[in-house]
Amino acid sequence: GNSVTQMEGPVTLSEEAFLTINCTYTATGYPSLFWYVQYPGEGLQLLLKATKADDKGSNKGFEATYRKETTSFHLEKGSVQVSDSAVYFCALSDHGSGYALNFGKGTSLLVTP
Amino acid sequence: GAVVSQHPSRVICKSGTSVKIECRSLDFQATTMFWYRQFPKQSLMLMATSNEGSKATYEQGVEKDKFLINHASLTLSTLTVTSAHPEDSSFYICSARDAASGGNTGELFFGEGSRLTVL
Repeated sequence: GNSVTQMEGPVTLSEEAFLTINCTYTATGYPSLFWYVQYPGEGLQLLLKATKADDKGSNKGFEATYRKETTSFHLEKGSVQVSDSAVYFCALSDHGSGYALNFGKGTSLLVTP
Repeated sequence: GAVVSQHPSRVICKSGTSVKIECRSLDFQATTMFWYRQFPKQSLMLMATSNEGSKATYEQGVEKDKFLINHASLTLSTLTVTSAHPEDSSFYICSARDAASGGNTGELFFGEGSRLTVL
């Protein structure tokens, strides 16, 4: 079945540091890949997505590239801000799952001034 | 983007009572909605898939008689936790697929979540 594995947190970075959150997946078909973000006290929001191999999703300075050969979708940002502190979830969906999202366990990010 | 609203955001109930949580798609029609449960510091666990006008499909290990799901219209799905017990305390999140905009990319729109505390 489908599954998502992402790096354990919490991750603590200083403001303006470089961020990488690793995410790998297993899937039987050709899934779409997503990063969702959950800010404190709020619901999940889509951060970015990629629907096919070699696609790059980007939003708010975050980027992730769909790598079929390594089954990865690592999240990166060149310079994090305090406001980026949140929990980040990697997820996948495909037609076979009825488009239900399979989530990774989430990675908590804390950015300090 | 599409908006999904959940109500109530927080509910506290006594053990043995039933609690209903509503999930509404405000500006789109959702033929399919998904209910998730989130444990503290853990990921979201899919509980069931709710299809408008038909029975919900439950994931393995989820008791369908305990977690009643009704999707009577294209904009409303409800989750009723029956005879709630303290172990049912959790954060319940609904999500919906907008076939018109999310299309085949699978993007889901999430409600704000409902925190249930059973005393």
